[in-house]
Amino acid sequence: DTEVTQTPKHLVMGMTNKKSLKCEQHMGHRAMYWYKQKAKKPPELMFVYSYEKLSINESVPSRFSPECPNSSLLNLHLHALQPEDSALYLCASSQGPPKYNEQFFGPGTRLTVL
Amino acid sequence: AQKITQTQPGMFVQEKEAVTLDCTYDTSDPSYGLFWYKQPSSGEMIFLIYQGSYDQQNATEGRYSLNFQKARKSANLVISASQLGDSAMYFCAMREGLRNTDKLIFGTGTRLQVFP
Repeated sequence: DTEVTQTPKHLVMGMTNKKSLKCEQHMGHRAMYWYKQKAKKPPELMFVYSYEKLSINESVPSRFSPECPNSSLLNLHLHALQPEDSALYLCASSQGPPKYNEQFFGPGTRLTVL
Repeated sequence: AQKITQTQPGMFVQEKEAVTLDCTYDTSDPSYGLFWYKQPSSGEMIFLIYQGSYDQQNATEGRYSLNFQKARKSANLVISASQLGDSAMYFCAMREGLRNTDKLIFGTGTRLQVFP
């Protein structure tokens, strides 16, 4: 199984809603990532979890809250988002340290904030 | 300064022809890795090929090959025998310091369109 799955595929939420994005992989990878991608732009790294511990936070606003319940799951909790947070949110995984190799991406969640 | 530069916003190629997508990078770290990803309109980023800074030979994966010129700091992607399904956005990416960071830096991408 070489797949990273993400749910939901699409999400529309109001600025006062609370929602969560979910990501799952069963490749035995120990590093997982959240990226944000605006239209016609490259992905921007948000968070990295390595061995279920947060290792990189790219100064992301606190309205985005990541969680890694176990080595296969990664969540992104959303609260009080702004319309400019509308984007494609991509999850990825890799083998992690010490062997940093390619990252495998999921299909993404297209988020619209009204 | 841009760490990864892709100077071609868009490229056209006829089916069955080869095409080269340019990528230059900037780093002072002797250890780094270079990646190419394909992103179709569906959104998923698909890993294509990897080149390590210490690799002696250019990487190849099927119809994809990476033309690695270390002195020029370039890592161009060559797609041979283009297919209609190759139409997508292509991103070059770099990871610096192979053992102490897990951060990919992406270029701005090149949109490739393959026509019959």
